[in-house]
Amino acid sequence: QVQLVQSGAEVKKPGASVKVSCKASGYTFTSYDINWVRQATGQGLEWMGWMNPNSGNTGYAQKFQGRVTMTRNTSISTAYMELSSLRSEDTAVYYCARGSDAFDIWGQGTMVTVSS
Amino acid sequence: EIVMTQSPATLSVSPGERATLSCRASQSVSSNLAWYQQKPGQAPRLLIYGASTRATGIPARFSGSGSGTEFTLTISSLQSEDFAVYYCQQYNNWPPALTFGGGTKVEIK
Repeated sequence: QVQLVQSGAEVKKPGASVKVSCKASGYTFTSYDINWVRQATGQGLEWMGWMNPNSGNTGYAQKFQGRVTMTRNTSISTAYMELSSLRSEDTAVYYCARGSDAFDIWGQGTMVTVSS
Repeated sequence: EIVMTQSPATLSVSPGERATLSCRASQSVSSNLAWYQQKPGQAPRLLIYGASTRATGIPARFSGSGSGTEFTLTISSLQSEDFAVYYCQQYNNWPPALTFGGGTKVEIK
C-alpha cells in the first residue's frame, strides 16, 4: 500500500544537526511533492517546507530558511530533512507528508528531542 | 503569510449531535483549503480538500463548505471515533507557503 516510513527517534544536543529520512513505497516517488511538518508536544502543526522529488526543487518556510535543507535519493525513493543549529524549541515530532497542496499520505512521525 | 484562525478552540459535543467548526483566513485563499483530523499519538488524516471534496474513504457525515476567507467543517452526527483535534490548512500560495490553523479540539460533552 501507499506509505511513507520515517526514521527513528533522535536525541541531539543544542547546536547540533539532525537528519530525518522518509521512505516512500506503493507509488512513484517522483510524481508527488514531499512536505515536512512539525508538531511540538501539545501544540499545532507547523509547515516547514516542500521538495519536488523529480527536480529536487525546494521551498522553505521563512522561519526555517538558512537552517533547513530538504534533499532526496530517487534510487531508494527516500526524502530527507536536515535541520541545523538545533535549540530546545526544535523539540517536536517531525512528519513528512505527500502532496503539493493537501497532504493525503503522512509518515508516522519522528520524535526529535533537543537537550543538553 | 496567510494566517488561519480556527474557532472555537474546544467544542464539547454529545455523541449523535452535530458539530460545526470554523476556519477563517486573513486573506482570500479561494477554495484552496483542506481539513485534517488528528487523534492522540497519530499523524493527521486528510478529510477534506478543495474546501468541500471528501478525501478517499472519508464518511459522508463529514462535509466542508466555504470559499474566500470563511470555511466550515460540519460533522453531522458525531461518532465516538470522531472525538479528535481538527486542523484547517490553506494552500493558496505559489511557490508554496502553506499554513495551518491552530486547531479545534472536539471533546465529549
